[in-house]
Amino acid sequence: KAGVTQTPRYLIKTRGQQVTLSCSPISGHRSVSWYQQTPGQGLQFLFEYFSETQRNKGNFPGRFSGRQFSNSRSEMNVSTLELGDSALYLCASSFQAGQQGEQFFGPGTRLTVL
Amino acid sequence: AQSVTQPDIHITVSEGASLELRCNYSYGATPYLFWYVQSPGQGLQLLLKYFSGDTLVQGIKGFEAEFKRSQSSFNLRKPSVHWSDAAEYFCAVGSGGGADGLTFGKGTHLIIQP
Repeated sequence: KAGVTQTPRYLIKTRGQQVTLSCSPISGHRSVSWYQQTPGQGLQFLFEYFSETQRNKGNFPGRFSGRQFSNSRSEMNVSTLELGDSALYLCASSFQAGQQGEQFFGPGTRLTVL
Repeated sequence: AQSVTQPDIHITVSEGASLELRCNYSYGATPYLFWYVQSPGQGLQLLLKYFSGDTLVQGIKGFEAEFKRSQSSFNLRKPSVHWSDAAEYFCAVGSGGGADGLTFGKGTHLIIQP
């Protein structure tokens, strides 16, 4: 069974631009969560989608948004990029919502904002 | 709000020696506890998890962890480390229901000496 895939793996943008990251969960998984990883703040929860509905959202500004499609693939969008948005963005998929099911993480998308 | 503290930023252990990585959590109810490992350029891999029941949990790669409610701790142990165990280790706490996602500690970087 293929693992969680994230595209692109690396991305360079400039301040003020917007970016869309994609995550394809493991086949059959309906929950997708997104996390931001930075050296200073560590791993922080962005949001979780289950069956195309956002279940939870972390403490991030409205510039961070996401969505999930009927095939469970998910995208996250960051508008008006700031230097501080440079991070590794990790996606995790799970069969169940919440943490009762094991979350499988993808390799991440490394975003650099110049 | 839930929180996780990993007191050791770096730990150096000789190959073949035993290992203990510390994790303390703050959570109002019974927590869901996790240990993840991250190798350079990789996503997170789940080592083990505790939801309820036996407080000594066995995981993959020979790791185990013990939940101690009185000490709010969930320390990770391995009797004999291998060079391939060198990585970043993250402890995380969740509510189970998924509210707020997983809260991660800042991580412990494990270095293995030959």
